[in-house]
Amino acid sequence: EDKVVQSPLSLVVHEGDTVTLNCSYEVTNFRSLLWYKQEKKAPTFLFMLTSSGIEKKSGRLSSILDKKELSSILNITATQTGDSAIYLCAVANAGGTSYGKLTFGQGTILTVHP
Amino acid sequence: SAVISQKPSRDICQRGTSLTIQCQVDSQVTMMFWYRQQPGQSLTLIATANQGSEATYESGFVIDKFPISRPNLTFSTLTVSNMSPEDSSIYLCSVDEGVGTDTQYFGPGTRLTVL
Repeated sequence: EDKVVQSPLSLVVHEGDTVTLNCSYEVTNFRSLLWYKQEKKAPTFLFMLTSSGIEKKSGRLSSILDKKELSSILNITATQTGDSAIYLCAVANAGGTSYGKLTFGQGTILTVHP
Repeated sequence: SAVISQKPSRDICQRGTSLTIQCQVDSQVTMMFWYRQQPGQSLTLIATANQGSEATYESGFVIDKFPISRPNLTFSTLTVSNMSPEDSSIYLCSVDEGVGTDTQYFGPGTRLTVL
C-alpha cells in the first residue's frame, strides 16, 4: 500500500521566517509528487515534481524532489500570515488500477504569526 | 485549470438519512475523483468516476454506502447513504488536467455534519 508521511505535523513561525516542510513516500510505481495548500476546504495546487522535473519555484515557494531518498521538501521564504494553511503532499502511482490515484500525507499545519 | 463547483457547500443531517452531493465542472473531463477528509485528517480517495462506466472504489469504501453517478463528462454525484456521525467529513470532488497528467484540481468541498 502506498504511503506518504509529512513532517513536522505542525509548525509555528513569525513573519519573515523561512520554513522547510518535509514529505517522504513509499509507492510501488512512483510517477509524480504534488504539493497542495489547503486554507479552508479546497486544496489548491502548488507544484508537481517528476523524474524529469525535480525542482520547481514560484515566488517565495520552492520544492525539490529527491528520488534517491524518496522524499521532497517545500521551502517557503520570508513567510507571511497569508501562508498560514495546511500543506499537503501527495504521490501519484503509475501502475495498473491505481492510475490517476493520489495518496495524500497527513499534512503540515503552518501558522505564521505577525 | 477547470472551474469546479459543488452543492451543497454544507449540510447538517440526521442519522439514517442520505445526502447527495453534486459536482459540476466547466469543461469536459475524463476522470472525476471523490475524496473524504475526516476532521483533523488528510484526504482519502473514495472512488474514481469515469463517464460511461461503473465507479472504481478504494479499499474500505463500497457502492452501497457511497453510490456515485457520472451521467456525462461535466457532472457527477456522490451519495452518502444511511448516514452516521462517523460520516461527518468534508467531501471533495476533483478532476485531473487531462489523460496522462497527475495534477488534480479540487472543488470547494461539502462540509457534512451528521447528528
